[in-house]
Amino acid sequence: QKEVEQNSGPLSVPEGAIASLNCTYSDRGSQSFFWYRQYSGKSPELIMFIYSNGDKEDGRFTAQLNKASQYVSLLIRDSQPSDSATYLCAVKLKGSNYKLTFGKGTLLTVNP
Amino acid sequence: GAGVSQSPRYKVAKRGQDVALRCDPISGHVSLFWYQQALGQGPEFLTYFQNEAQLDKSGLPSDRFFAERPEGSVSTLKIQRTQQEDSAVYLCASSLTRTGLMMNTEAFFGQGTRLTVV
Repeated sequence: QKEVEQNSGPLSVPEGAIASLNCTYSDRGSQSFFWYRQYSGKSPELIMFIYSNGDKEDGRFTAQLNKASQYVSLLIRDSQPSDSATYLCAVKLKGSNYKLTFGKGTLLTVNP
Repeated sequence: GAGVSQSPRYKVAKRGQDVALRCDPISGHVSLFWYQQALGQGPEFLTYFQNEAQLDKSGLPSDRFFAERPEGSVSTLKIQRTQQEDSAVYLCASSLTRTGLMMNTEAFFGQGTRLTVV
């Protein structure tokens, strides 16, 4: 089992819809969780981080964390074509306060 | 500079050739990371520096890979006797703090160097 798993997609949603991106992790002791967006040929850029159970909202983005289920998700409301990118889930596993372990990413396409 | 700068952006190497990839982190950033991203995969950790000290090199795939940051600023990732499986994008990232003091330390990534070994 990979340490951080994501559905590689592609996930296709119409413009204005909610896009839901999911990530599971294997290390129950993990403490910090990050969502990065990566446009094709570009570097990953941080969208959100979360480390407490529950929801964290920032504009159109909501990160949700459920440590009991070892599950973290990213919701994008009112999806725009400019949101089309690969979304990478990253986790700082237990015992590492600096190393990010990434999933393989989910390709999101928002159709106009 | 305004962001993390990597050079070259693209490198084609013949199998067996040595290559050197450069990373200029954001000025004043203490922590520096190298990641390797294969096509269609997420980045994978290679090594971590805190200032000039290489604190973790557990992700380096073999002893052909070597990284340094001698003055605590610019870093170089060197790959000796390149092989086809080394073909990937090599990403450098830096962050301001000594991670561990802040759980949510943001790591800023450079544009990467795409290495193709032929």
